[in-house]
Amino acid sequence: AQSVTQLDSQVPVFEEAPVELRCNYSSSVSVYLFWYVQYPNQGLQLLLKYLSGSTLVKGINGFEAEFNKSQTSFHLRKPSVHISDTAEYFCAVSQSGNTPLVFGKGTRLSVIA
Amino acid sequence: DAMVIQNPRYQVTQFGKPVTLSCSQTLNHNVMYWYQQKSSQAPKLLFHYYDKDFNNEADTPDNFQSRRPNTSFCFLDIRSPGLGDAAMYLCATSRVRGDEQFFGPGTRLTVL
Repeated sequence: AQSVTQLDSQVPVFEEAPVELRCNYSSSVSVYLFWYVQYPNQGLQLLLKYLSGSTLVKGINGFEAEFNKSQTSFHLRKPSVHISDTAEYFCAVSQSGNTPLVFGKGTRLSVIA
Repeated sequence: DAMVIQNPRYQVTQFGKPVTLSCSQTLNHNVMYWYQQKSSQAPKLLFHYYDKDFNNEADTPDNFQSRRPNTSFCFLDIRSPGLGDAAMYLCATSRVRGDEQFFGPGTRLTVL
């Protein structure tokens, strides 16, 4: 069974600084990978996804992620964060689109002015 | 805009009093999911429908039931809510299993 590990439960970062949120997955087969963002009292919103093709994926709000098969990672990055990026971020994996998504425990990003 | 709608956004019920949460979608997606999310935790999948095919997660309590009368609507029934069932309940849809999921805004359930 696949699983997702988000290595950091909380990440504080100053405004306009770069940030990386780490995600590792375990699966022996091909996977689809996703990053979602959740603002307080709202549902989850898709930031970006990797299905196949280019390993560098660009998403909304200036975020990008890189799929690294050898390291089984899908880290999320943004070169310069804003206060409005403060939210909970979830990494998720599915087994080549055949199974429901499995979510990581989330990383709370706090952007400090 | 195509979307996932959840009603109500906030629901208060009494201990042991049955409650139903509703979800509707205009995306015409085959799959509909119900998640429970407690504070500062990841969403926990309760069950999902692939069309009319119901799929229950092994650890979902019997207290939780679901109905999908048609493609657009899905309901979550909690037969006898306990204090531990207070949470945010999220509905999501996807075209097929494992594909990108589209989430509703959630219903926050309070149990008194």
